[in-house]
Amino acid sequence: AQKVTQTQTSISVVEKTTVTMDCVYETRDSSYFLFWYKQTASGEIVFLIRQDSYKKENATVGHYSLNFQKPKSSIGLIITATQIEDSAVYFCAMRVYNYAQGLTFGLGTRVSVFP
Amino acid sequence: EAAVTQSPRNKVTVTGGNVTLSCRQTNSHNYMYWYRQDTGHGLRLIHYSYGAGNLQIGDVPDGYKATRTTQEDFFLLLELASPSQTSLYFCASSRLGGRDEQYFGPGTRLTVL
Repeated sequence: AQKVTQTQTSISVVEKTTVTMDCVYETRDSSYFLFWYKQTASGEIVFLIRQDSYKKENATVGHYSLNFQKPKSSIGLIITATQIEDSAVYFCAMRVYNYAQGLTFGLGTRVSVFP
Repeated sequence: EAAVTQSPRNKVTVTGGNVTLSCRQTNSHNYMYWYRQDTGHGLRLIHYSYGAGNLQIGDVPDGYKATRTTQEDFFLLLELASPSQTSLYFCASSRLGGRDEQYFGPGTRLTVL
């Protein structure tokens, strides 16, 4: 079974700065996919970015980037130039390659961006 | 972008009641999922399906049935609702499994009194 752990329950940052949040995962599988989702105040859940375990380069999409450290089973999310609308709960999730299952989610990190 | 809709958006029922939550996706995705979200537990997979007539058991299936009648429609059934099933339920879909991202519906808030 897989496990995803997000140890930071909440983070507060000032607008236009960078926020980093952590995620560690556990799996016995050698191939897997890691995802980050955002849940807004309205409850909407939106996909942000993905990292394939077999790729060495860190994924980047817009002002989201990942810090993938495979030996540490760690996948951090970095948001640069934060905006007020980045305030949300961020979930880390994983799925193993040979398993057509749903996602295993962490408990989330609440990010509050202040002016 | 994938469109996933859920109905009803809010539902209140009593213990022992019969509830059906509906989900429809309109992007011809093969996979559909039901999750529940609870404080302290995050999002947990109840059931999923990779095609019409197919059903797979997720991580927290007890007390729930599901049925995928068409590629578009996936239903979650609570035949004897209990207060422990009070939760926020999300439906999601993806084209395939593996690396494909899931698209989530807006959620259904269910309260069992």
